[in-house]
Amino acid sequence: SQTIHQWPATLVQPVGSPLSLECTVEGTSNPNLYWYRQAAGRGLQLLFYSVGIGQISSEVPQNLSASRPQDRQFILSSKKLLLSDSGFYLCAWAPVGGTEAFFGQGTRLTVV
Amino acid sequence: KNQVEQSPQSLIILEGKNCTLQCNYTVSPFSNLRWYKQDTGRGPVSLTIMTFSENTKSNGRYTATLDADTKQSSLHITASQLSDSASYICVVKRNTGFQKLVFGTGTRLLVSP
Repeated sequence: SQTIHQWPATLVQPVGSPLSLECTVEGTSNPNLYWYRQAAGRGLQLLFYSVGIGQISSEVPQNLSASRPQDRQFILSSKKLLLSDSGFYLCAWAPVGGTEAFFGQGTRLTVV
Repeated sequence: KNQVEQSPQSLIILEGKNCTLQCNYTVSPFSNLRWYKQDTGRGPVSLTIMTFSENTKSNGRYTATLDADTKQSSLHITASQLSDSASYICVVKRNTGFQKLVFGTGTRLLVSP
């Protein structure tokens, strides 16, 4: 069966520090991968999606970047965090042509 | 513009009562619509999926409806339980070459004893 792992679960970082959130998927090949952010009281906002290794598309301009160094690994990064980067970050995967996205447990990021 | 709007934004009901959540969308071209349940601090989990030709689908105490003509969907929860307290998110998939999901902002439901 397929599983998705996302870590860490919670993170408190000072303004200006770097960020690296990692997401890995097991049990499937060539998944579509997503990073979403959910600000307090807001809906899920798509940040990045990837259809393959090294292929990253961004939905909104921002202080973050994403990379996909391996087929089932998706990394969300920042060189210098801003207060506005605080939020709940979710990684998700979906099979190509599938009808459902499967979500990780999320990372609660607080920038102080 | 592809958007999904949900109402109400939040809702409090007594345990055992029924409630209905609304979802209106302007996403095109339409592929399918899912209702997800998201517990606080967790990732969303799918409840039901509706395709263009489906009008009603049930999953236990959850019943979803879809009117593809008016681009509206509803999620009806029957005999609510405390464990139903969560955010309910309506997600519409676009029928494009790349799978693109458009999320609603969700309805926060609190079931009170």
